[in-house]
Amino acid sequence: RKEVEQDPGPFNVPEGATVAFNCTYSNSASQSFFWYRQDCRKEPKLLMSVYSSGNEDGRFTAQLNRASQYISLLIRDSKLSDSATYLCVVNPYSGGYNKLIFGAGTRLAVHP
Amino acid sequence: EPEVTQTPSHQVTQMGQEVILRCVPISNHLYFYWYRQILGQKVEFLVSFYNNEISEKSEIFDDQFSVERPDGSNFTLKIRSTKLEDSAMYFCASSEYGTGGVEQYFGPGTRLTVT
Repeated sequence: RKEVEQDPGPFNVPEGATVAFNCTYSNSASQSFFWYRQDCRKEPKLLMSVYSSGNEDGRFTAQLNRASQYISLLIRDSKLSDSATYLCVVNPYSGGYNKLIFGAGTRLAVHP
Repeated sequence: EPEVTQTPSHQVTQMGQEVILRCVPISNHLYFYWYRQILGQKVEFLVSFYNNEISEKSEIFDDQFSVERPDGSNFTLKIRSTKLEDSAMYFCASSEYGTGGVEQYFGPGTRLTVT
């Protein structure tokens, strides 16, 4: 089983749509979770951390289900500028070490 | 807003040559990392570095690779004898702390092409 698994997409959605990405991770001891976005041939940019209680940042909502080892990202009211690859990222350690394990990413294309 | 910088943006080298990729982490960050991304593949962890020592390295980070913090601002990745399969985007990242929940911030990357 892959350490971090995502649906590769692509997701093609019209502007204004709501889109959801899912991710599963294999290491049940993992402690920290993030969503990054990556534009073509650019660096990963932190979108948001994911907390156990779920968290929201504007149009973006992240959820974590530790029992199912499942992370989600919901984007509401999609904009053209949301077109990118969304990376689910897990840190398997709780303290003292900080190493990120990346999923392969889910590509989103928002069209007019 | 402070950011991680990397030079060069693109490096072309011949197989067997040594390359040094340079990074300037965010100034108050103490933990530094290198990742790589082969074209079309996922981002992979190479090494983490703190207090002038490697904290952890992946199996990719073999004897051909080394890291150094030669002064108070730069953080370098050296590949001693490049192979074709080293062609990738190399990203430097830094974080303020080393604990698990702390975000890492990435530089724009160096595209390494080995011919």
